[in-house]
Amino acid sequence: DAKTTQPNSMESNEEEPVHLPCNHSTISGTDYIHWYRQLPSQGPEYVIHGLTSNVNNRMASLAIAEDRKSSTLILHRATLRDAAVYYCILRDVVRGGGKLIFGQGTELSVKP
Amino acid sequence: DTEVTQTPKHLVMGMTNKKSLKCEQHMGHRAMYWYKQKAKKPPELMFVYSYEKLSINESVPSRFSPECPNSSLLNLHLHALQPEDSALYLCASSPRGGTAEKLFFGSGTQLSVL
Repeated sequence: DAKTTQPNSMESNEEEPVHLPCNHSTISGTDYIHWYRQLPSQGPEYVIHGLTSNVNNRMASLAIAEDRKSSTLILHRATLRDAAVYYCILRDVVRGGGKLIFGQGTELSVKP
Repeated sequence: DTEVTQTPKHLVMGMTNKKSLKCEQHMGHRAMYWYKQKAKKPPELMFVYSYEKLSINESVPSRFSPECPNSSLLNLHLHALQPEDSALYLCASSPRGGTAEKLFFGSGTQLSVL
């Protein structure tokens, strides 16, 4: 499975935007980029996913580099409830059987 | 209903016990998953069921035995576990198992093996 690299931790201030980076230099053409987050004492929660184009939903935006070797999850206005571990995951049906394999993730803390 | 329900929420068992974890969803999803998560670590995939058939087993020891009796229900049977099997066990589902689909996770069962 193609690997992702994320910073171990990041800090943000409440009501400010947060940019969470993810490097995936070995990404293949069939890999989807997924983001999940896990709040304390809960199961992971889907955030967003994309293939080539930037994506927006009510939770976040996903910016994908033109060469697809990196992506950035953007939370437009961080709240205290956004404090969680954020996982960037590559999902590929051809090589990986469609498995969702979690990497180490970025622990985001949000300061009031 | 977009929930994946796992029971029990907490389970303590001895190494000679047999117990089962249960997972239920009523979203009509045909792919279901078991993950194991140790404290401060990411979830690790254990099993994937697709249309009630086991499609992926990530070399999990035989003391863990999954079962998918119908499209809404997923069980994980446990026997002769070791203390190092203590972890949070997460269940998830998705519509058909496609790579563009999102997974819906339950809140997990926190298992302690004494």
